[in-house]
Amino acid sequence: VQLLESGGGLVQPGGSLRLSCAASGFPFSNYALGWVRQAPGKGLEWVSSIHASGSTTYYTESVQGRFTISRDNSKNTLYLHMNSLRAEDTALYYCARNRIQDDCFDFWGRGTLVTFSS
Amino acid sequence: DIQMTQSPSSLSASVGDRVTITCRASQTITSYLNWYQQAPGKAPKLLIYAASNLQSGVPSRFSGSGSGTDFTLTISSLQPEDFATYYCQQSYTTPLTFGQGTRLEIK
Repeated sequence: VQLLESGGGLVQPGGSLRLSCAASGFPFSNYALGWVRQAPGKGLEWVSSIHASGSTTYYTESVQGRFTISRDNSKNTLYLHMNSLRAEDTALYYCARNRIQDDCFDFWGRGTLVTFSS
Repeated sequence: DIQMTQSPSSLSASVGDRVTITCRASQTITSYLNWYQQAPGKAPKLLIYAASNLQSGVPSRFSGSGSGTDFTLTISSLQPEDFATYYCQQSYTTPLTFGQGTRLEIK
């Protein structure tokens, strides 16, 4: 199992980014996936999750309406479209596989960093 | 939102010690509780799922217990590679929430 995030970078407040997570080593379309972030020196915060089919999505309140999670099962890729970015969105964003039958994140990528320029 | 509170926030221990970390939920989460380990500069790693089930490949010195609102993670005999930060996480309902973390340091 491998999850490889990309797309992070330096942004200005109000800007946009699209994060990607390329998956391999497992039947991608059978698994739910999620994004979890970690601000510098802080703990883990769940951001969003998506069901295997892509039909159902969930968001933490602070990103609702600004972020959109999606997936392309033909490309084995998960996305996080981030709009109206705020300084408090600065974090390392992890992609994680959600093992639905046990309700846990059983594999994690290494993360992609989103930071703000002043 | 369900608040997850871990104690202690930090802990100093020696190789070979038995260590227990506690996690308390602000409302019942039955057994929807997971534990993760995060080594410095690394991604989190699943240790325990559904309160007491050991993830494949995780050493048997790790164990979890509890249900309802109170949970524990126990490491029976600390090894050098166990010095890391540990997080609990409830999967009972969204928003999924994590504890603030327990940093386990070498004494």
